[in-house]
Amino acid sequence: NAGVTQTPKFQVLKTGQSMTLQCAQDMNHNSMYWYRQDPGMGLRLIYYSASEGTTDKGEVPNGYNVSRLNKREFSLRLESAAPSQTSVYFCASSEVTEQFFGPGTRLTVL
Amino acid sequence: AQKITQTQPGMFVQEKEAVTLDCTYDTSDPSYGLFWYKQPSSGEMIFLIYQGSYDQQNATEGRYSLNFQKARKSANLVISASQLGDSAMYFCAMRPLNSGGYQKVTFGTGTKLQVIP
Repeated sequence: NAGVTQTPKFQVLKTGQSMTLQCAQDMNHNSMYWYRQDPGMGLRLIYYSASEGTTDKGEVPNGYNVSRLNKREFSLRLESAAPSQTSVYFCASSEVTEQFFGPGTRLTVL
Repeated sequence: AQKITQTQPGMFVQEKEAVTLDCTYDTSDPSYGLFWYKQPSSGEMIFLIYQGSYDQQNATEGRYSLNFQKARKSANLVISASQLGDSAMYFCAMRPLNSGGYQKVTFGTGTKLQVIP
């Protein structure tokens, strides 16, 4: 039982490059989330998926897209990376009384 | 709209002492859940404890307990017998308990706890 896994753990991009962050959970949770965490800003929701086949915008969706591939997997794509997207990205999955996070991806955009 | 307020940006506690981390919340949802997370310097977010708004008793998990005062809209985390490994950021969070669909989790800005030997 791995919980929530994310890949990669670290990534450096140049401005304008694209990449996809992968997330998978093995807890059979319906809801999945992508957050970003910046110093002094706490966690901000980028996108979420309440159930397989649905996705919706969170607080800071600009510059990102997501895909809920199946119940287990929820990916986050940066189409054209910008320095403002330098952050730590967390994937999470949840049911009513629990929400578990992946280990995070530290992304730097130069 | 939901809001979580953690008014203590930083706290110090002596090893083996108890410490209370404050959390107040605001919501119009009739039913909701409250969470606490620990984020050590290594960066991962560790789920600590959950309290439902209709739970009759305060939640406890080992050395962690949640002092839930619904009328005051507070959900303070109490850590008993502090250990050096408790030094970390602590986040309070809340979500509505809707019958279905999206259940947004709102986070506070965190409290940095430092345990002094």
